[in-house]
Parts: sequence; structure tokens; C-alpha cells
Amino acid sequence: AIQLTQSPSSLSASVGDRVTITCRASQGISSALAWYQQKPGKAPKLLIYDASSLESGVPSRFSGSGSGTDFTLTISSLQPEDFATYYCQQFNSYLTFGGGTKVEI
Amino acid sequence: EVQLVESGGGLVQPGRSLRLSCAASGFTFDDYAMHWVRQAPGKGLEWVSGISWNSGSTGYADSVRGRFTISRDNAKNSLYLQMNSLRAEDTALYYCAKDMNWNSFKYFDYWGQGTLVTVSS
Repeated sequence: AIQLTQSPSSLSASVGDRVTITCRASQGISSALAWYQQKPGKAPKLLIYDASSLESGVPSRFSGSGSGTDFTLTISSLQPEDFATYYCQQFNSYLTFGGGTKVEI
Repeated sequence: EVQLVESGGGLVQPGRSLRLSCAASGFTFDDYAMHWVRQAPGKGLEWVSGISWNSGSTGYADSVRGRFTISRDNAKNSLYLQMNSLRAEDTALYYCAKDMNWNSFKYFDYWGQGTLVTVSS
């Protein structure tokens, strides 16, 4: 099975910061990658799919890039509502998630 | 508005069975693949199983293959997960999730709020 490794596992940031989260696949997955945001006690929310396509209704400060094995999620200017845990997910071979990155104040 | 409402969770002894249900509304249910995704307390997300729009294709995580069975009833707009031979490590919040796609398994664009399964003696 394809493993997804996210880094860092947690980070501290301030409102207005530019934040970058990395997801590395154990083998090439083309652009078959999504990013989700999960807040405490809530279901995950799809942010990005096909590595760089913004889901409808998601603010443009979120962006995704990468292909093959290395991917990034960038939040251009962190807002108070963005403090959450972020997961990457691939579908190239079955479906697997990364371990998550917690974005904290 | 898309709604996914899970039910059927609870406390169950190891080795016993449980059946989860997910009632879907707000979209054309038989146009999309559907999934179960779980999250153990304080842990990350794990895809459990998926089923294509017409039940023609199913998939399972290695951790549940042979013990869990996914099914759907398009006439009732419902998704199910039959869980047999439950283990302590199956304890988790189980989410029902809609795929963006109809046949192959890709991404989850809508999620329910989850139903908690606790496996303990």
C-alpha cells in the first residue's frame, strides 16, 4: 500500500502567517491527491483535489501543488478559523491518508 | 443540501457483530460511489471500505478485509457496513462519506457526523 508521510506533524503559527504543509508518497501517484481540514469534533472537509484544484466554496488562500511523490498545501495568510488538523489523501492505489498536521497558535 | 446521517454504533463485545447504516439525502444517491472512513479516538483518518454506484465494485482496507462487508440500497438511499468478528482496534468514530465520482474511488466531498463504535468486554 502507498504510504503518505506528512511533515511537520504539528506547527505553531500566527494569524497572517504563510503556512506550508508537505505530503510525501512512498511511490509516484501522479496528481491523485487531496487535502482535508478537520476541526475538533467535526467531520473532515475537502479543500483541494487532484493536487491543485480548489473545492467549491473554499477560500482562495488555500492552494495545493505537486505531482509524483511530493505535494504541498499552502495557506497564504492564516486566519483564526484555519487552526485545525490537515490531512492528505491519495487514491492512486486504494485509498490512504497521511498522518495529519496540526496547525496551532 | 447534502446530508449523510450515520446510525447503528454502540458498545459491543469483541468477536460480536454490528451493522452501521447511513441515510443519504440532498443528492442523487445512485450517481455516486460511497465510503466508510473511521477515526480511532485521538488518531488520524483511515479509509475502511468503498462501493461503486451500482455495487459492482467494492474495496476494503487490509485491516478489515474478510470481516467487514459494505453494501448499499439505492432504492432507500442508504449505505451499510456489516462488521463481524469485531476487535478492540476497530473502536473508532465511523464516518459515511460521498465520493466525487460514480465508479472508481477518488475523493470524499461530503461527510456525515459519524457514529461511534466501541469494542470492549
